[in-house]
Amino acid sequence: EVQLVESGGGLVQPGGSLRLSCAASGFTFSSYAMHWVRQAPGKGLEYVSAISSNGGSTYYANSVKGRFTISRDNSKNTLYLQMGSLRAEDMAVYYCARPRGVRGTDAFDIWGQGTMVTVSS
Amino acid sequence: DIQLTQSPSFLSASVGDRVTITCRASQGISSYLAWYQQKPGKAPKLLIYAASTLQSGVPSRFSGSGSGTEFTLTISSLQPEDFATYYCQQLNSYPPLTFGGGTKVEIK
Repeated sequence: EVQLVESGGGLVQPGGSLRLSCAASGFTFSSYAMHWVRQAPGKGLEYVSAISSNGGSTYYANSVKGRFTISRDNSKNTLYLQMGSLRAEDMAVYYCARPRGVRGTDAFDIWGQGTMVTVSS
Repeated sequence: DIQLTQSPSFLSASVGDRVTITCRASQGISSYLAWYQQKPGKAPKLLIYAASTLQSGVPSRFSGSGSGTEFTLTISSLQPEDFATYYCQQLNSYPPLTFGGGTKVEIK
């Protein structure tokens, strides 16, 4: 079964750090670009970050640039999002997502279940 | 970055109604548009890609149309399980692959 499973969310104080993981199974992880999307409570979807299949290219939304780092370990079939200098506005459910095809701009047909990040003192 | 504007943001409808949601792009995106359905507490689900291609397993009452800057998602006969929030996403200009603001479909 093709699957993405996120982990690593939790409660963190403002200014703190957290690392999210997204474990992939059921497909050739190293062939796909991967993406992170977040959703603040009661709000819409926000595209956060992306990484190419080999990790050589990355993208960050302006809202997280300089504070978040996306990475991947293709030997472990795992995607990461290292989050630092966390703010209240980073509080959200974070989803990892896989595009339909190996072309990075395909629609996202596989999503993880989401992991909640709460930023509060 | 390309902006996507969905309308309406909220829609009240009855079972059996025909429902249309519009997504407008700030610049032309050809047919590089996807539609997702999201239910509370769940991850989004892909319904349509390439503006009009139905994802495998999605009921045929869902359809998409449009190209350039204006797109529509139509549900031909609304079913109880279709009450959800719907998002469009542009896939033409990467990065970022921006989302629309969402349309919540509720029971009248």
